[in-house]
Amino acid sequence: DAGVIQSPRHEVTEMGQEVTLRCKPISGHDYLFWYRQTMMRGLELLIYFNNNVPIDDSGMPEDRFSAKMPNASFSTLKIQPSEPRDSAVYFCASSFRGAESNTEAFFGQGTRLTVV
Amino acid sequence: KNQVEQSPQSLIILEGKNCTLQCNYTVSPFSNLRWYKQDTGRGPVSLTIMTFSENTKSNGRYTATLDADTKQSSLHITASQLSDSASYICVVSGDDKIIFGKGTRLHILP
Repeated sequence: DAGVIQSPRHEVTEMGQEVTLRCKPISGHDYLFWYRQTMMRGLELLIYFNNNVPIDDSGMPEDRFSAKMPNASFSTLKIQPSEPRDSAVYFCASSFRGAESNTEAFFGQGTRLTVV
Repeated sequence: KNQVEQSPQSLIILEGKNCTLQCNYTVSPFSNLRWYKQDTGRGPVSLTIMTFSENTKSNGRYTATLDADTKQSSLHITASQLSDSASYICVVSGDDKIIFGKGTRLHILP
């Protein structure tokens, strides 16, 4: 397996534009997580899915953020409209079981988003 | 309040030396504690996962310890190599919560 695949690797967009980040989890993993990482706040969990169903979206900062998982092999994180303070690296991770278990979570390479 | 505090924020050591990174947490209830290594420009990679009953776990030159009573963990790196230069992140999970530390930035000098 190629691991968790995220696209694009880099995204530069103007304030107010819609941004869509994509993630393909490892095949067979039931859990998918979206994280945001900044220098100031470190890594933050935004939302996670279990079997394609959103379980906890309490980390989603605002209504401008939305995430979907239409099937077991694909998820999107959308920001509409984007703002400069959304600039960060967004990571997707997947695991066989949830965080409370002892299974390892595998991270993608991340998408570096810059909103100007 | 559920928190994970890591120290030091950054550390510089010479190649071949040992070092120890600290992680203190207040997350409750507790399920497990993980240490991740994150190279610049890449996603975090898991080093160790420990549950309440585990005191120590090793992964090559990396050894993690856990004291669940004092809610402290450490990551010891033996005989450091240039490739150990990275950020090391402590993550504590429990009751559907995942709390990240801000990481320790480790620089290994030749």
